[in-house]
Amino acid sequence: QLQLQESGPGLVKPSETLSLTCTVSGGSISSSSYYWGWIRQPPGKGLEWIGSIYYSGSTYYNPSLKSRVTISVDTSKNQFSLKLSSVTAADTAVYYCASGQVIGAFDIWGQGTMVTVSS
Amino acid sequence: DIQMTQSPSTLSASVGDRVTITCRASQSISSWLAWYQQKPGKAPKLLIYKASSLESGVPSRFSGSGSGTEFTLTISSLQPDDFATYYCQQYNSYRWTFGQGTKVEIK
Repeated sequence: QLQLQESGPGLVKPSETLSLTCTVSGGSISSSSYYWGWIRQPPGKGLEWIGSIYYSGSTYYNPSLKSRVTISVDTSKNQFSLKLSSVTAADTAVYYCASGQVIGAFDIWGQGTMVTVSS
Repeated sequence: DIQMTQSPSTLSASVGDRVTITCRASQSISSWLAWYQQKPGKAPKLLIYKASSLESGVPSRFSGSGSGTEFTLTISSLQPDDFATYYCQQYNSYRWTFGQGTKVEIK
């Protein structure tokens, strides 16, 4: 059974880069059976898709965040990562990594990690 | 970009009630619609994919229907464990968008 676990700093200063990693267990990140994504949820608010990456390495980003987002895969560590640059308080949220086997849906989610942007 | 609008935003219901949540897309998404349940402090859980396919392990009281721009999630008989927030999510051309959520509260 595939499992995902987010890790990274819980506090980031304004204007700096937020960096998170999602470690995949129970399956290979290189498998063509999966695609991988990042979703976030500001406190008390709804879900926002940040971006996705496929086994081929192709990446797709939310247009509203595209200029600041990079998602990449490290096959040697079975991990994928998120970098969000020039953060502000509006980027404070719980960040989830997720995977999908069925086209269009994310069926496996990490537990989420809270990231606060503050000086 | 495709916008997803859920209604209602909040729904008050009793155990045993039949509950229906609606999700409307700003343009046709065929059947590329998923539904999730989220409880406080927890990650979302996939309930329905491709508009009407029940995810493995999800109780059969949950069902989804619709295509194009209009979709519904129905809970046939609301159970105590079902009080939560529900989100629809569309997929189109390698982009995903979530609805704003519907909170199902105890009446």
